[in-house]
Amino acid sequence: QKEVEQNSGPLSVPEGAIASLNCTYSDRVSQSFFWYRQYSGKSPELIMSIYSNGDKEDGRFTAQLNKASQYVSLLIRDSQPSDSATYLCAVARSNTGKLIFGQGTTLQVKP
Amino acid sequence: DGGITQSPKYLFRKEGQNVTLSCEQNLNHDAMYWYRQDPGQGLRLIYYSQIVNDFQKGDIAEGYSVSREKKESFPLTVTSAQKNPTAFYLCASSMQNTGELFFGEGSRLTVL
Repeated sequence: QKEVEQNSGPLSVPEGAIASLNCTYSDRVSQSFFWYRQYSGKSPELIMSIYSNGDKEDGRFTAQLNKASQYVSLLIRDSQPSDSATYLCAVARSNTGKLIFGQGTTLQVKP
Repeated sequence: DGGITQSPKYLFRKEGQNVTLSCEQNLNHDAMYWYRQDPGQGLRLIYYSQIVNDFQKGDIAEGYSVSREKKESFPLTVTSAQKNPTAFYLCASSMQNTGELFFGEGSRLTVL
């Protein structure tokens, strides 16, 4: 079992729709969770971090964390073509704080 | 402007040669990291350093070496012992143990 799992996609949504990206992790005591966005050929950039159960909103982005289910998600409201990218879920290992990345989900927003 | 600079952006190497990738940051971050990314895959940790003159192996350290003589610099050497070195290499830094990484633009290494 991979430490961090994501569906590789592609996930295709129409412009203006809500995109829902999901991630599961295996280390039950992980405390810190992150979403990075990576455009094709570019380096990742941090878009959201979440540490407590529940929702965290930042503009059009909402991160959701459920530690009991070992599940973290990212919602993108009013999706735009510029949101088309690969979204990487990352989880900090409980004993070292090192980040472990999922393989990423490719999102395509169609005009 | 603060940031992380990686060089070179593109590098070609013949089999059997060592190459060194440069990573410099002026963000005053304590921690620095090297990741490798293969097509269609996530990032895998090669080495990381939380303080000057100290570094630890990540998940795929074999065939790589690093040094951390200065806070600003964390070069990565890809040695001839690395069996499959063609990849996209990413350097990152962060405040100590926050998990909020800032990445350089990456170095794309191709072995001919």
